[in-house]
Amino acid sequence: EAGVVQSPRYKIIEKKQPVAFWCNPISGHNTLYWYRQNLGQGPELLIRYENEEAVDDSQLPKDRFSAERLKGVDSTLKIQPAELGDSAVYLCASRTGENEQYFGPGTRLTVT
Amino acid sequence: AQSVAQPEDQVNVAEGNPLTVKCTYSVSGNPYLFWYVQYPNRGLQFLLKYITGDNLVKGSYGFEAEFNKSQTSFHLKKPSALVSDSALYFCAVRFAEGATNKLIFGTGTLLAVQP
Repeated sequence: EAGVVQSPRYKIIEKKQPVAFWCNPISGHNTLYWYRQNLGQGPELLIRYENEEAVDDSQLPKDRFSAERLKGVDSTLKIQPAELGDSAVYLCASRTGENEQYFGPGTRLTVT
Repeated sequence: AQSVAQPEDQVNVAEGNPLTVKCTYSVSGNPYLFWYVQYPNRGLQFLLKYITGDNLVKGSYGFEAEFNKSQTSFHLKKPSALVSDSALYFCAVRFAEGATNKLIFGTGTLLAVQP
């Protein structure tokens, strides 16, 4: 069974530029999460989807971050415009039922 | 407030020796506790979880964790460490309230196993 797939794995952009990350969860997993992991820290939740509905986006900085999960499968996370402080690893995870979350390899974003 | 603490930034152990990575938590209600491992440039991998039942939980790669309610701890253990166990370990607690259902992670503990 394929795991959670994320792309790109690495991205370097200049500040004020837009950037987008893509996630394909494990087949059949209805719940999808986006986390941000800063260097030396544990992941912090940005947004959670149940199917195509964003049910918890309270920690998503909505002035510059947006996300979508059309058709309740793949998801994209966008930052526009990016700031230096957005440099981090962006992790996608998925889950079905009350089981544990499965994480993708992450996208390492560097904003210069 | 819900929180997880990993008091050690790094744990050093010799190969073949037992290892312990500490975790304490603060959560209202019954805790759902997890351990994940992160290898360099890779995502988090699930090791084990405690939901209910036996306080000693066995997981992947020979790891186990002991839930101690009175001490609000969930320490990760392994009887005999391997060099390949060297990685970053995260403890997490599930927080569910209203529309929120998420994992709260500790800051991580780097395990270094010396040959």
